[in-house]
Amino acid sequence: KAGVTQTPRYLIKTRGQQVTLSCSPISGHRSVSWYQQTPGQGLQFLFEYFSETQRNKGNFPGRFSGRQFSNSRSEMNVSTLELGDSALYLCASSLAGPRNEQFFGPGTRLTVL
Amino acid sequence: DQQVKQNSPSLSVQEGRISILNCDYTNSMFDYFLWYKKYPAEGPTFLISISSIKDKNEDGRFTVFLNKSAKHLSLHIVPSQPGDSAVYFCAATSSGNTGKLIFGQGTTLQVKP
Repeated sequence: KAGVTQTPRYLIKTRGQQVTLSCSPISGHRSVSWYQQTPGQGLQFLFEYFSETQRNKGNFPGRFSGRQFSNSRSEMNVSTLELGDSALYLCASSLAGPRNEQFFGPGTRLTVL
Repeated sequence: DQQVKQNSPSLSVQEGRISILNCDYTNSMFDYFLWYKKYPAEGPTFLISISSIKDKNEDGRFTVFLNKSAKHLSLHIVPSQPGDSAVYFCAATSSGNTGKLIFGQGTTLQVKP
């Protein structure tokens, strides 16, 4: 079975721009969660989508948004980029529910200049 | 407020010996705990998990112990191998927060040949 894929792997943007990251979950997985990893804050939960609906949300500003399509693929968008948004953005998929392990993609490394 | 803490940023052990990684949590609503391993430039890889109804779970060289009264869990790796050198994250979740993992800051394990 193919793993979680994320595109692009690397991205460089400037302050004020917006960015869209993509995630394709493992086949059959309907839950997709997004995380931000930074050296100072570690791995922080952004949001989770299940059956095209946002089911859970972390403590991030409204500039961070996401969506999920009918094939379970997910995108996250960050608008009005700030320097502090530079991070590794990780997507994880699971079958569903808290008892199912999340499987992570390789991440998208975003650099904001 | 850091709900999951890994107080040791790093750990170094000799090949063949036991590695013990520790994790503490503060939220009594957490009822499922997971350990992930992460290599540079890759997403976290799931290792082992434990439900709060158990106090031990074993999978090959990896054993996770849970002490609910102390709100403490630990990961034992026996015997340690050089390929185990990576960053280890513990994570926690609860039934009411599907898809949301709260991660510790990570412990870098170095296994010396």
